[in-house]
Formats: sequence, structure tokens, C-alpha cells
Amino acid sequence: DAGVTQSPTHLIKTRGQQVTLRCSPISGHKSVSWYQQVLGQGPQFIFQYYEKEERGRGNFPDRFSARQFPNYSSELNVNALLLGDSALYLCASSLGSRTDAFGPGTRLLVL
Amino acid sequence: AQSVTQLDSHVSVSEGTPVLLRCNYSSSYSPSLFWYVQHPNKGLQLLLKYTSAATLVKGINGFEAEFKKSETSFHLTKPSAHMSDAAEYFCVVSDEAGTYKYIFGTGTRLKVLA
Repeated sequence: DAGVTQSPTHLIKTRGQQVTLRCSPISGHKSVSWYQQVLGQGPQFIFQYYEKEERGRGNFPDRFSARQFPNYSSELNVNALLLGDSALYLCASSLGSRTDAFGPGTRLLVL
Repeated sequence: AQSVTQLDSHVSVSEGTPVLLRCNYSSSYSPSLFWYVQHPNKGLQLLLKYTSAATLVKGINGFEAEFKKSETSFHLTKPSAHMSDAAEYFCVVSDEAGTYKYIFGTGTRLKVLA
């Protein structure tokens, strides 16, 4: 059974650009959460979606947005990229509200 | 609000000696606590979790943790370190109100010396 998948694995963007990251949860899981892990720090919660509705949002600016599709996959969008947005972006999947598994992450580098 | 504090940013042990990674938590609720491991350039792997059952929790790869409410601690231990244990370890508390989002500690980097 496939775990949580994320794409792309790596990404390089320049300041001011926009980026879209994708996540597919474990089959049957209805909740997706997004985390940002800056180098040398623990992951920080960005969003949680459950049954296609936003359930929670962390302390991130409005440049960050997300959505969940009918098949429960999710996209994280970041507009007007800043150097400080360089990080590993992790997606977590769960059947209900509690996280069951993390994906391998997308490493974003903003130049 | 919930939080966790990992008391050591770096820990070095010799192969075959015990491992102790320390974590204190703060929670208004009866907390759910977790330890995750992250190897270089890898995602997060769950080692073990405490969800108000037995206070001594056994996890994968010989790791275990003890929940001590009186000390608000959830330290991770392993009797004998292996070279493959070298990684970053995160103590995590779950926000029990609403989203059940994870609140991560700052991490402890474990180095295992040959």
C-alpha cells in the first residue's frame, strides 16, 4: 500500500515567484496537514484540511494557501516567495483528525 | 497552550552505550505525545506514541519512553546505541483541541561514535 506521496521532491524558485506543492494521502485517508520545516528547526503547522474543508491554520501569512480536492489530494500554494520560505514542506495524512503518516517532503529553495 | 522543550540540541554517545534524549512538555489537557526520527534527507518516521494508556511506551528499533506526569517529562531511551540511530529526533505534543495539529520540539541531533 502506497504511503503519502509528495511532488516534486525538489524545487528551485526565485524571489517573488509562486509555487505549488502537491500531496496525495494514503488511500482512504480524508485529512491532509501541511508543515514547514526550516533548516535546523522542527516542523511548523501550516494548514489542516478534512473532507475538503480547512480545519485549522497556523501562524503563516496570507501568501500561503491550500486546498483539498474531491479525491482528498491537496495542493499548497505560496505566492510572492521570500528567501525565508526556503524549507522542507511536509504533508501528513490521516483517516480522521490525528496524523497517521508523513510524506517524504518537498525541498524548496528560494534564490 | 501546548508546547514541548527538548533539553539538548546535540547528544553524542558511543556505539553500544545507552541513549537518553530529554523532553519536557506543557499541556492544558491530558496530552498525546510522540517521538519522531528524521534521518538526513528523509521524512519523519514515528518511533512511538503515548495516548493515555500505559506510561511506559515501547517503540520501534528498541526505543522506549516513559510518561511522567509529575515531572511533565517524556524522555526517550534506548539501552544500546547503534550507528544507524544517528539522526534528528523530535518530541511532539498533539493539540487536543480541534485540529490535533502537531507541535514539534526544536529537535535533538544524536551522534553515535564508533
